[in-house]
Amino acid sequence: GENVEQHPSTLSVQEGDSAVIKCTYSDSASNYFPWYKQELGKGPQLIIDIRSNVGEKKDQRIAVTLNKTAKHFSLHITETQPEDSAVYFCAAARTGGFKTIFGAGTRLFVKA
Amino acid sequence: EAGVAQSPRYKIIEKRQSVAFWCNPISGHATLYWYQQILGQGPKLLIQFQNNGVVDDSQLPKDRFSAERLKGVDSTLKIQPAKLEDSAVYLCASSLGGAYNEQFFGPGTRLTVL
Repeated sequence: GENVEQHPSTLSVQEGDSAVIKCTYSDSASNYFPWYKQELGKGPQLIIDIRSNVGEKKDQRIAVTLNKTAKHFSLHITETQPEDSAVYFCAAARTGGFKTIFGAGTRLFVKA
Repeated sequence: EAGVAQSPRYKIIEKRQSVAFWCNPISGHATLYWYQQILGQGPKLLIQFQNNGVVDDSQLPKDRFSAERLKGVDSTLKIQPAKLEDSAVYLCASSLGGAYNEQFFGPGTRLTVL
């Protein structure tokens, strides 16, 4: 079946450094790629998303890139802060949210 | 704006028992999703509703899981009978519907099957 691979599973960085999380998807019909942040005991919360007709999107310290040919997309967090510590999930979906598939998650630790 | 509400937050049952989870989506959201999140894994889509109709239940174990969305608003997910491997967090999400819509997640129900 279709899947989304996410790497690394754990990432530890020093406060102020950058963090990069990478995902690969297999469903060629996917055209919407959201990223979620999940804190302990809470549901995932959308932090940024990108559509297949865009190669890059930035929102303050967070940016996402998409290479549709290679079926790769990445999350970049700059100037990391301790409050960025959480589990991050990438996902791939078709129009209307159909066939939404999540990656396995990356646990990010930001050390003060 | 009120978020997605779920209840109960926690449930402990023994295997072969039945359990039901309830979800109230954000008002006006046409699309409702149920996900299963096993510890250390990403959410796995179980079923997706558009208003009160099912649009995708391909990953729902239909021999033991069932879900309904009455009047296109609230939804319930039931497991009967439960197995040990059903221990997970069950997340409900909703979205406006249409293309590329953000999914808003509830806090989830943590199920432990003993």
